[in-house]
Amino acid sequence: KAGVTQTPRYLIKTRGQQVTLSCSPISGHRSVSWYQQTPGQGLQFLFEYFSETQRNKGNFPGRFSGRQFSNSRSEMNVSTLELGDSALYLCASSQEPTEAFFGQGTRLTVV
Amino acid sequence: ILNVEQSPQSLHVQEGDSTNFTCSFPSSNFYALHWYRWETAKSPEALFVMTLNGDEKKKGRISATLNTKEGYSYLYIKGSQPEDSATYLCAFQGVDNFNKFYFGSGTKLNVKP
Repeated sequence: KAGVTQTPRYLIKTRGQQVTLSCSPISGHRSVSWYQQTPGQGLQFLFEYFSETQRNKGNFPGRFSGRQFSNSRSEMNVSTLELGDSALYLCASSQEPTEAFFGQGTRLTVV
Repeated sequence: ILNVEQSPQSLHVQEGDSTNFTCSFPSSNFYALHWYRWETAKSPEALFVMTLNGDEKKKGRISATLNTKEGYSYLYIKGSQPEDSATYLCAFQGVDNFNKFYFGSGTKLNVKP
């Protein structure tokens, strides 16, 4: 069974640009969550999608958005990038409430 | 704001040493506590999910205990090996919002041969 796949693995963007990250969950998993890790910080929850609906959202500005498609693949978008958005973005998929299987992450650098 | 704290922040031990880390979390609203092992450039790997007060879980040389009444969990590694070098994360799930994990900052373990 394939794991959680995130693309791209690395990305460099300029301030003011926007970026889209993709996450393909484990087959059969309908829940996808997104987390951000910045240097010195733990993983911070961004949002969670289930069956194309956002069920939960963390404390991030509106520049951070996401969506989920009918095949459970999810994308997150960050508009008007700031230097502070440089981070590792992880997604996790699950089938049951007490589980979360993570991808390897996308390392975003904003210059 | 819900706080999950891990200590120590980092740990350097010799091969063969036993070690333990602490995760502190709110004692109310508890649903589950997770431990993950995260090696550089890899995905975080789930070690344990603990749901009941007094739970003890074991996987090889790694074990964990849970005290939900006082809000802490311990992770133990017996006879550390260099391949145990990684960051160990704990994550709290609350009853009122169980789709959201609250992570600690992790304990970075370095095991020297």
